[in-house]
Amino acid sequence: KAGVTQTPRYLIKTRGQQVTLSCSPISGHRSVSWYQQTPGQGLQFLFEYFSETQRNKGNFPGRFSGRQFSNSRSEMNVSTLELGDSALYLCASSLARDRGELPYGYTFGSGTRLTVV
Amino acid sequence: DQQVKQNSPSLSVQEGRISILNCDYTNSMFDYFLWYKKYPAEGPTFLISISSIKDKNEDGRFTVFLNKSAKHLSLHIVPSQPGDSAVYFCAASLKTSYDKVIFGPGTSLSVIP
Repeated sequence: KAGVTQTPRYLIKTRGQQVTLSCSPISGHRSVSWYQQTPGQGLQFLFEYFSETQRNKGNFPGRFSGRQFSNSRSEMNVSTLELGDSALYLCASSLARDRGELPYGYTFGSGTRLTVV
Repeated sequence: DQQVKQNSPSLSVQEGRISILNCDYTNSMFDYFLWYKKYPAEGPTFLISISSIKDKNEDGRFTVFLNKSAKHLSLHIVPSQPGDSAVYFCAASLKTSYDKVIFGPGTSLSVIP
């Protein structure tokens, strides 16, 4: 069974540019969440999508956005990149269906390491 | 404001001994708690979870204890093995939105052979 696939693995961008990261969840998983990991901050929740709808959102500025397609694949976009956006961006998928069902536990991808210079 | 706290950034334990990783939370509405393990250059992997209606859950060498009144949970690993060396994240979610999981900053565990 294929795991969660994130592309690209590494990315270097310049301040002011925008970037799009991609995530393919495990087959059958309809919930996809995105996290930002930085040293000392742990994993910060960005947003969660289910059936192409954003259900939850973290405390990030509007420069961070995402979407989910009908095949559950998800993308996140960061516009007007800042140096502080340098981080590991992790995507996770889960079997969670309807709101209120206990999470089975996320399965994470290996992440995309974004460096902003 | 960190809703899930792991106050020990790192922990060293001798192989074969018990590892105890602690986690505190501030939101009394958290209903479900999870532990994840992360190796370098890999995504976190789900380890064990516990619902707020329980105070203990066990899975092999891993046991999670929950003390709701103290808003505290801990992960016990017995016996500790060198392969357990990793960063451990405590996480929590609300009953109203299990899909939004809040993670702590992590504790780096080193198991010394």
